[in-house]
Amino acid sequence: SQQGEEDPQALSIQEGENATMNCSYKTSINNLQWYRQNSGRGLVHLILIRSNEREKHSGRLRVTLDTSKKSSSLLITASRAADTASYFCATVPGYSTLTFGKGTMLLVSP
Amino acid sequence: NAGVTQTPKFRVLKTGQSMTLLCAQDMNHEYMYWYRQDPGMGLRLIHYSVGEGTTAKGEVPDGYNVSRLKKQNFLLGLESAAPSQTSVYFCASSHWDRGQGSDQPQHFGDGTRLSIL
Repeated sequence: SQQGEEDPQALSIQEGENATMNCSYKTSINNLQWYRQNSGRGLVHLILIRSNEREKHSGRLRVTLDTSKKSSSLLITASRAADTASYFCATVPGYSTLTFGKGTMLLVSP
Repeated sequence: NAGVTQTPKFRVLKTGQSMTLLCAQDMNHEYMYWYRQDPGMGLRLIHYSVGEGTTAKGEVPDGYNVSRLKKQNFLLGLESAAPSQTSVYFCASSHWDRGQGSDQPQHFGDGTRLSIL
C-alpha cells in the first residue's frame, strides 16, 4: 500500500542543533502530514502541507514539499531535549485514508 | 476536553479469548480509525468509519470486527485472540471537510497495549 518512508531511521543530536528528517512517498498525494509520538503516547499532529504548497512554518518547525521528487523534509530548529520523540510522515493519496511511514527516532541530548 | 479516550490501557489475554477495545471522542468528529503499531512496522490501519453506522476495512482487517453505533464511540473486537495480535492499538478521529474530504489531521488516543499469550 502507499506509504511514506522516513530517513534516517534514527537521529541523535545535541540540544541547540537543528534536526532534519526526510520523507519519500510513491504516488500522487493531496497533502502530506507530519506527526510526533512521545514514548508511550499517541501520535500528535504537527503540520499539514498541501500538494500546491512548497514550504510551511509552525514555530520551530519548517516543512518543505517537493512533489516532483515525491519528497518532504521536516526541520526542527534549535532542538530541545523535549523534542526527543519519533516523527512520522503520513500521506493521503487521492480520496483515501492516511498511510504512515515507519518513523524517525530523534534523540536530543542535553 | 478529553479528546480521544481509549479503554483499557493494558490487557493480557490468552489465545482464543475475546475482548472489545473501546474508543470515545468528544470532538464530534465524523471519521474514526483503528490502527495497530508494531515494532519496525509503523502504523497500519485496521478498520475505519466515516460516520455512525458505517465501517470499512483498512490494510489489516482480518481477525478484527468493529462497530460504530454512536457517533462518539468506535469499538474494536477480537473474536478469538491470537499471539500475532499482540500489539499496541491506537484509535484516532478526524473531522470531515466538505472541500478537503478525509485528509484532515487525526487526533489520537494514548493506545491500548494488548498482549496475547
